[in-house]
Amino acid sequence: DAKTTQPNSMESNEEEPVHLPCNHSTISGTDYIHWYRQLPSQGPEYVIHGLTSNVNNRMASLAIAEDRKSSTLILHRATLRDAAVYYCIALSSNYKLTFGKGTLLTVNP
Amino acid sequence: GAVVSQHPSRVICKSGTSVKIECRSLDFQATTMFWYRQFPKQSLMLMATSNEGSKATYEQGVEKDKFLINHASLTLSTLTVTSAHPEDSSFYICSARSPSGTVSYEQYFGPGTRLTVT
Repeated sequence: DAKTTQPNSMESNEEEPVHLPCNHSTISGTDYIHWYRQLPSQGPEYVIHGLTSNVNNRMASLAIAEDRKSSTLILHRATLRDAAVYYCIALSSNYKLTFGKGTLLTVNP
Repeated sequence: GAVVSQHPSRVICKSGTSVKIECRSLDFQATTMFWYRQFPKQSLMLMATSNEGSKATYEQGVEKDKFLINHASLTLSTLTVTSAHPEDSSFYICSARSPSGTVSYEQYFGPGTRLTVT
């Protein structure tokens, strides 16, 4: 599976947009980019996924670089409930999610 | 989104005993479920892939005789920790994906089970 690299932590203010970066320079052409987040003492929650095109859903947007070597998860208006660890994962055909350390997002009121 | 439940949410057992954790997909059928373990302040580590009607596939380093997995139906997978020891204390999480899923399909996670072995 392709390795992903994320900053250890990021901080944001409530009501402001947040851009969470992820590098995946060794991603193969068929690997999907998945994002999950995990609140303390809870199971991870699916956020969004994409292959080549940018994607939007009710939770977030995913911007994928043209060369697919990086992507950015965008939370348009951060709330206190968005404080979590965010995981960027390159999912290959074996369906296995390999979790890295993720990015701990802190949202300040 | 689809809902995955786990039972129990929290369990304390004595060293040497066995504990069974259930993972259920409530509103969809899951041919494949996954079991993860997470130690404090660490990331999730995949333990095994559970396939309905067949033997589970374990990740390297995970003892299959200690962590027994059964996926007897399309909505239920169980993980039994046998002869539990204090070092097995951890947060166990399952996930499931729909049978028609490809790699584009998301996985749905249960809320986790906190196991404490005394």
